[in-house]
Amino acid sequence: AQSVTQPDIHITVSEGASLELRCNYSYGATPYLFWYVQSPGQGLQLLLKYFSGDTLVQGIKGFEAEFKRSQSSFNLRKPSVHWSDAAEYFCAVGSQGNLIFGKGTKLSVKP
Amino acid sequence: GAVVSQHPSRVICKSGTSVKIECRSLDFQATTMFWYRQFPKQSLMLMATSNEGSKATYEQGVEKDKFLINHASLTLSTLTVTSAHPEDSSFYICSARDVTFNQPQHFGDGTRLSIL
Repeated sequence: AQSVTQPDIHITVSEGASLELRCNYSYGATPYLFWYVQSPGQGLQLLLKYFSGDTLVQGIKGFEAEFKRSQSSFNLRKPSVHWSDAAEYFCAVGSQGNLIFGKGTKLSVKP
Repeated sequence: GAVVSQHPSRVICKSGTSVKIECRSLDFQATTMFWYRQFPKQSLMLMATSNEGSKATYEQGVEKDKFLINHASLTLSTLTVTSAHPEDSSFYICSARDVTFNQPQHFGDGTRLSIL
């Protein structure tokens, strides 16, 4: 069965600290992988995507993610978190059409 | 970058009313649009896939007569919640996919629907 698991429901980090949000997937074919961010009451903004090629993907707002096929993971990282990064983060996997979303990880940032 | 406009952003109406939500791709053509529903503190649940010029494909458990979807052009899809009831209150989000191969879905800002 196709699925996406985000093990951490809520993470709190201090401003300036590094961040890693975990994402594991189960998918029958070669997956396309995405990270989206959602601010309260808003839609989703694409942070980055992986289709093929270099397994380390750079995104907007200083985020990056690394695709590790052997671990079926696509973890999101940022070296230094800003207060404005506080939001809900969703990992998604899909092919050319439908996306399957994880349940999200809420990020809180301490001053 | 690609922009998807969703309107209205918030609607409050009485039980029994029908509500129409619009989803527009502003700077690209979208043969496929998706409608999601998001419950509080939950992930997005795909309701249906809307294809331009053809009938929408609904996910299991989604009532097609309740949630009418029309995708009349390459830039516009509408979701009509018919005879809405309080249990239909939710956050509805649309997304659109560029016709260009391998383009990701771009999301609207969502519609907060509250049925009294």
